[in-house]
Amino acid sequence: GNSVTQMEGPVTLSEEAFLTINCTYTATGYPSLFWYVQYPGEGLQLLLKATKADDKGSNKGFEATYRKETTSFHLEKGSVQVSDSAVYFCALRVQETSGSRLTFGEGTQLTVNP
Amino acid sequence: EPEVTQTPSHQVTQMGQEVILRCVPISNHLYFYWYRQILGQKVEFLVSFYNNEISEKSEIFDDQFSVERPDGSNFTLKIRSTKLEDSAMYFCASRQDGYEQYFGPGTRLTVT
Repeated sequence: GNSVTQMEGPVTLSEEAFLTINCTYTATGYPSLFWYVQYPGEGLQLLLKATKADDKGSNKGFEATYRKETTSFHLEKGSVQVSDSAVYFCALRVQETSGSRLTFGEGTQLTVNP
Repeated sequence: EPEVTQTPSHQVTQMGQEVILRCVPISNHLYFYWYRQILGQKVEFLVSFYNNEISEKSEIFDDQFSVERPDGSNFTLKIRSTKLEDSAMYFCASRQDGYEQYFGPGTRLTVT
């Protein structure tokens, strides 16, 4: 079956530190990969995506590269801000499923201190 | 910017009671979803809905669950007889054909 594994959290960083949140996946078929972010009191928001191997998704200074050889999609940001404090979810979608369901990882709580 | 809304934000109910969680998807979206997240666990897919019928459901979505689009705007999830283990955050999502899913803020369901 399909599954997503994220690095254990929570993660606490100082402002301007480098961020990496690891994500690996197992999938049948050819998945699209996503990072969603959830700010306090809000719903899940799409942060970035990649639909095929070697694609790089990027948004708001965050990046993730679809690595088929290592089945990974690690999230990175060079310099985090206090406003980046949120829960980050890695997810995949396999096109063959008729409903296009998303399969999520556990989520990683990020706290950025000033 | 259009958004998915959900009501109520928090629902407390007693075991064995029926609950209905409500969602208003984005108006021109055609595909609708429910997910849930038990505290400390992963976000799990429950069901997808398109063209007034279920297109896919997970093993979690048993006979105690049902979904409905009673009018042109609402999308509801009903749990007929709640159990303690149904306590979770429930997320609604919607999308257009070929586009990504947009999520609502969630309803926290507490079963006592």
